[in-house]
Amino acid sequence: GAVVSQHPSRVICKSGTSVKIECRSLDFQATTMFWYRQFPKQSLMLMATSNEGSKATYEQGVEKDKFLINHASLTLSTLTVTSAHPEDSSFYICSASPRANYGYTFGSGTRLTVV
Amino acid sequence: AQSVSQHNHHVILSEAASLELGCNYSYGGTVNLFWYVQYPGQHLQLLLKYFSGDPLVKGIKGFEAEFIKSKFSFNLRKPSVQWSDTAEYFCAVSLSGNTGKLIFGQGTTLQVKP
Repeated sequence: GAVVSQHPSRVICKSGTSVKIECRSLDFQATTMFWYRQFPKQSLMLMATSNEGSKATYEQGVEKDKFLINHASLTLSTLTVTSAHPEDSSFYICSASPRANYGYTFGSGTRLTVV
Repeated sequence: AQSVSQHNHHVILSEAASLELGCNYSYGGTVNLFWYVQYPGQHLQLLLKYFSGDPLVKGIKGFEAEFIKSKFSFNLRKPSVQWSDTAEYFCAVSLSGNTGKLIFGQGTTLQVKP
């Protein structure tokens, strides 16, 4: 149980376009989901906390207008990278937890390449 | 600011060798602790977690970790590694009551030679 699905797994887009990444909790409801970014050979950095039915909470230094987060249902959060630039190329990962003290399940990640 | 430090960035072992990966965190309050593994080309998987109780935690695939509060440490151990343990290992901490916000260490690349 506690499966998180992320789509797409890879995406290549042109500079200036927007890309949407989906994160779904398949067998549980998640009022909160988390978006991370992982640079090559580096650790994961939390970008934002996605809250169902309310605004996302962004970490310091993360541009909320560039990384739009929508958590419209208890099983789906989306991250839209707007006006993408090559420096936005990275590995984006979402996570969620089905309940307290369970731990956090991660999606398989999305490799974004902006050309 | 809270931080997590993994001392070993790249570890190379032969099969059957024992493994210990260090993890220290900086936070004076109550924490939840995790070790995640990322096999090549795969997503993060939870190895083990500590929330409370017995500080010696056993996880999947023969891994265990010990929480030593006085040392702010949560080292990962395995008595005998296998080639299939080759992966990236991440230690992570969440602050009790601040569920979900995981702070990750830099990661340790483990290479096990057959």
